[in-house]
Amino acid sequence: DQQVKQNSPSLSVQEGRISILNCDYTNSMFDYFLWYKKYPAEGPTFLISISSIKDKNEDGRFTVFLNKSAKHLSLHIVPSQPGDSAVYFCAASGTLLPTGANSKLTFGKGITLSVRP
Amino acid sequence: DVKVTQSSRYLVKRTGEKVFLECVQDMDHENMFWYRQDPGLGLRLIYFSYDVKMKEKGDIPEGYSVSREKKERFSLILESASTNQTSMYLCASSPRELGSALNQPQHFGDGTRLSIL
Repeated sequence: DQQVKQNSPSLSVQEGRISILNCDYTNSMFDYFLWYKKYPAEGPTFLISISSIKDKNEDGRFTVFLNKSAKHLSLHIVPSQPGDSAVYFCAASGTLLPTGANSKLTFGKGITLSVRP
Repeated sequence: DVKVTQSSRYLVKRTGEKVFLECVQDMDHENMFWYRQDPGLGLRLIYFSYDVKMKEKGDIPEGYSVSREKKERFSLILESASTNQTSMYLCASSPRELGSALNQPQHFGDGTRLSIL
């Protein structure tokens, strides 16, 4: 049973335009959400996170929006650049869960973003 | 900057061999994790540890074991390697209280591409 879902396996956008990557979750205990970016043959790198007490967090070109009632979050990249082409993973954690469980991240399957020059 | 180092980038082993994957982190993190990444399946948690000598099963522990004798080192062991364990293996570490302060995510190593022939 997938608790974090990234339903679109791929996305292609033009350089300079907005990229919107979506993620849905089912576990109501999740209260901390992260986005990771991964290039081939490298480990994932942390991009941005958001706590459930917020509905938006911004860091430069990257903004994450959280809609708790819909159990939905999205990552916006504006403007998109060719170097943003990578696999993006959404992840979630329940920080109020017992020790051990509160450290686990549940990942989605990832979205491959291609930014065309 | 957090550094998670995996001992090998590429490894080729034969079916039935006992395989050791080593991971070392330099940030005194309590938590360490082993994942595998497969196309279309995202990152799946194999085992994690939230303290020395402690281990917890993740989502796909079958065929694997782990060892955490020192805080900085977490080893993944394939007891008898099989071809379906050919994959990219990723190690990660984090502070105990993931998310207690934003931007304390899991940090990943660069991965080990393991091929079982």
